[in-house]
Amino acid sequence: EVQLVESGGGLVKPGGSLRVSCATSGFTFNTYTMNWVRQAPGKGLEWVSSIDNSGNFIHYADSVKGRFTISRDNAKNSLYLHMNNLRAEDTAVYYCARDHIAVAGLDYWGQGTLVTVSS
Amino acid sequence: QSVLTQPPSASGTPGQRVTISCSGSTSNIGSNTVNWYQQLPGTAPKFLIYSNNQRPSGVPDRFSGSKSGTSASLAISGLQSEDEADYYCAAWDDSLDGYVFGSGTKVTVL
Repeated sequence: EVQLVESGGGLVKPGGSLRVSCATSGFTFNTYTMNWVRQAPGKGLEWVSSIDNSGNFIHYADSVKGRFTISRDNAKNSLYLHMNNLRAEDTAVYYCARDHIAVAGLDYWGQGTLVTVSS
Repeated sequence: QSVLTQPPSASGTPGQRVTISCSGSTSNIGSNTVNWYQQLPGTAPKFLIYSNNQRPSGVPDRFSGSKSGTSASLAISGLQSEDEADYYCAAWDDSLDGYVFGSGTKVTVL
């Protein structure tokens, strides 16, 4: 069974840093592109970043470029999002999501971890 | 401001057909395939439609997708109470070099 479990969310002050993680199981992690998608309270979905299976091809949304860094550890079957210079508007549930192996789309999602940026 | 535009709400009675539109541009829907996601209250999104009109295993055939030019749509036929959820369209955007979601449509079963 495919499982994606996020962790590391919490309360952080504006300008602070945080790292959220996604532990995966039930599939061959090192063959899949992975993504982070966020959802602010009461708002819609916003794609944040993606990283290909080797870690060589990375994309970011303009809203986080230069502040967030996506990474992965294929030996640990884990995905990470390092967030720096956090702003109030970064407050959201952060979801880890797997790319479908053959077609465009995010076929499995974790349950999310809440990041709150507030003084 | 979402790149893909959806109506904020749609509704229908049980058994009715509901259609949700998704309007984009040549750099996203016009150039790439469209996905749809269903988000039930308090849960993570679920993969509903890929490649414009294909359903992943386990998705009921009551759900169907289509695409024409720079627009797409999701239809729910035989509406059921468990279909009450938020629905999002999405596609890769070549200009933004990123994946973009629609603004979301809340479907209410009356």
